[in-house]
Amino acid sequence: DVQLVESGGGLVQPGRSLRLSCAASGFTFDDYAMHWVRQAPGKGLEWVSGISWNSGSIGYADSVKGRFTISRDNAKNSLYLQMNSLRAEDTALYYCAKEAPSPYPYFDYWGQGTLVTVSS
Amino acid sequence: SYELTQPPSVSVSPGQTARITCSGDALPRKYAYWYQQKSGQAPVLVIYEDSKRPSGIPERFSGSSSGTMATLTISGAQVEDEADYYCYSTDNSGNHSGNHRVFGRGTKLTVL
Repeated sequence: DVQLVESGGGLVQPGRSLRLSCAASGFTFDDYAMHWVRQAPGKGLEWVSGISWNSGSIGYADSVKGRFTISRDNAKNSLYLQMNSLRAEDTALYYCAKEAPSPYPYFDYWGQGTLVTVSS
Repeated sequence: SYELTQPPSVSVSPGQTARITCSGDALPRKYAYWYQQKSGQAPVLVIYEDSKRPSGIPERFSGSSSGTMATLTISGAQVEDEADYYCYSTDNSGNHSGNHRVFGRGTKLTVL
């Protein structure tokens, strides 16, 4: 079975950094693009960032561009999100999501999320 | 930046037809997808490529798209369909590359 397990969330002060991880299992990790999607408390889904299977294509939402960096380690079946210069508005549940097989650009599996709280 | 616009809420009685719309300038060229999210759970895909239904999704869920508007229709809505629904698409606006994605702000469906 496909499993995506996020970790690394927590309480952090504004301006500080945090690194999220997503451990993937149950599928051939390096065959698929992966994404981060977040959801602020009581709010909607927001796509954050995506990375192709070989890290050759990367995209960021305008709200995080220049502050967040997505990466992956196919040897470790892991996805990462380095978050710098955190702001209160980055407070959210961060989901790791697997992209469906090409050519479909939707997410077919999601983790349960890791909560990031940015507050002094 | 590219936006998908949904109504904040839709309310129907059980057995009625619920329609949730999603408008976006690129929808004539890009497929719409729909996710259902129940409270405390991860989202679940209910419609892909405008009108296709994934296996395991009840037949009462259908989708359509015309021009700049996509529509999710739930025919004979059930109490268990009460959830937030998000439209989703790819975003190639501006200098965004093929890996950009966008969600609508979501529509809360109430069935009572």
